[in-house]
Amino acid sequence: QKEVEQDPGPLSVPEGAIVSLNCTYSNSAFQYFMWYRQYSRKGPELLMYTYSSGNKEDGRFTAQVDKSSKYISLFIRDSQPSDSATYLCAMTLSGGYQKVTFGIGTKLQVIP
Amino acid sequence: NAGVTQTPKFRVLKTGQSMTLLCAQDMNHEYMYWYRQDPGMGLRLIHYSVGEGTTAKGEVPDGYNVSRLKKQNFLLGLESAAPSQTSVYFCASSYSWGFREEKLFFGSGTQLSVL
Repeated sequence: QKEVEQDPGPLSVPEGAIVSLNCTYSNSAFQYFMWYRQYSRKGPELLMYTYSSGNKEDGRFTAQVDKSSKYISLFIRDSQPSDSATYLCAMTLSGGYQKVTFGIGTKLQVIP
Repeated sequence: NAGVTQTPKFRVLKTGQSMTLLCAQDMNHEYMYWYRQDPGMGLRLIHYSVGEGTTAKGEVPDGYNVSRLKKQNFLLGLESAAPSQTSVYFCASSYSWGFREEKLFFGSGTQLSVL
């Protein structure tokens, strides 16, 4: 079993829909949780960062962490065609990128 | 503002050939990383560097070597390429070590095929 599980999709939604992307994990010691967005043939870019449990909102994006269920989510409101990308979850026990575990990514397509 | 630049963007090798991937960053970052990305596997850390002249092994270092002779450059070498090293390679850099919304800045990747 992988430490971080993520459905690869693809997930197709109509423009304006609310998108829910999710990851589950097995290591209860993970403390830092991130979402990266990766456009085709590009490197990932940090979208959201959350420490421990709770919610964080940034514009149309909301990240949620439920440590009791070992489950993290990224919600995208009013989805746009420009949101079409692969979304990677990432997490780690403590500070330091040398020990980050990435999910395999979920490919999202927003249809105009 | 170039950020993180990787060369080459594409390369095809025959088994047993060697090559070097170059990563350059212009953000004066201390920390640099090499990842590989494979379908169904996610990003995996190959090697990393915490400063000029230093390198360390990541999760999947076998078959690769690295050097950080200059702060702005991080080289990834394959001495004898194998088909299992067919992958997309990403270089990344960061200003500091930890989080608190500290970003990893990624290059655009190198698509490597080993036949």
